[in-house]
Amino acid sequence: ELKVEQNPLFLSMQEGKNYTIYCNYSTTSDRLYWYRQDPGKSLESLFVLLSNGAVKQEGRLMASLDTKARLSTLHITAAVHDLSATYFCAVDIDADSNYQLIWGAGTKLIIKP
Amino acid sequence: DTGVSQNPRHKITKRGQNVTFRCDPISEHNRLYWYRQTLGQGPEFLTYFQNEAQLEKSRLLSDRFSAERPKGSFSTLEIQRTEQGDSAMYLCASSFWGFPYEQYFGPGTRLTVT
Repeated sequence: ELKVEQNPLFLSMQEGKNYTIYCNYSTTSDRLYWYRQDPGKSLESLFVLLSNGAVKQEGRLMASLDTKARLSTLHITAAVHDLSATYFCAVDIDADSNYQLIWGAGTKLIIKP
Repeated sequence: DTGVSQNPRHKITKRGQNVTFRCDPISEHNRLYWYRQTLGQGPEFLTYFQNEAQLEKSRLLSDRFSAERPKGSFSTLEIQRTEQGDSAMYLCASSFWGFPYEQYFGPGTRLTVT
């Protein structure tokens, strides 16, 4: 069974601190996506990681992909309150050329002043 | 900027009634996806279209659910004889057919079945 596991599922942290969210997946894939979701809102694309060793950064967020370890990380540097949201990773699988996203359960991030 | 739009945004219905949701994708996108999301969970794939062809349907999807995408533009998702377990956020996304297959999501339709 294809699985995408995120940890932690819940994270409460202080502003100014650093932390990392982990995304492990059980199938071979070269494409991994990170999305952000605010309460009651839809999903916003953050990063698209397309190859082993890919690293992308936007502001205080940095995402990386290790396809050999089947692991992606989302690192938060000097967190600010505006980054409070739920973060999802999703893995793109090629099942007979029908590319589908398999999603993690999400990491709910609360950043306290 | 015309992103993915969905209507209605909220729908409250009584158990046993039929409901229909609409999704208008980004105009250049030829792929359209439907997902369902319940509280505290990631999106669950329901079905997707490439142009007007429905290429994949989740095995978990009940026969009460049907989707169409006539002319390869907007799509509708119909749920017949709704049940309380159908209460969820229904998300639509669209993408290009091609690398990197990034999906853009609409605001969702929140369904409450009473």
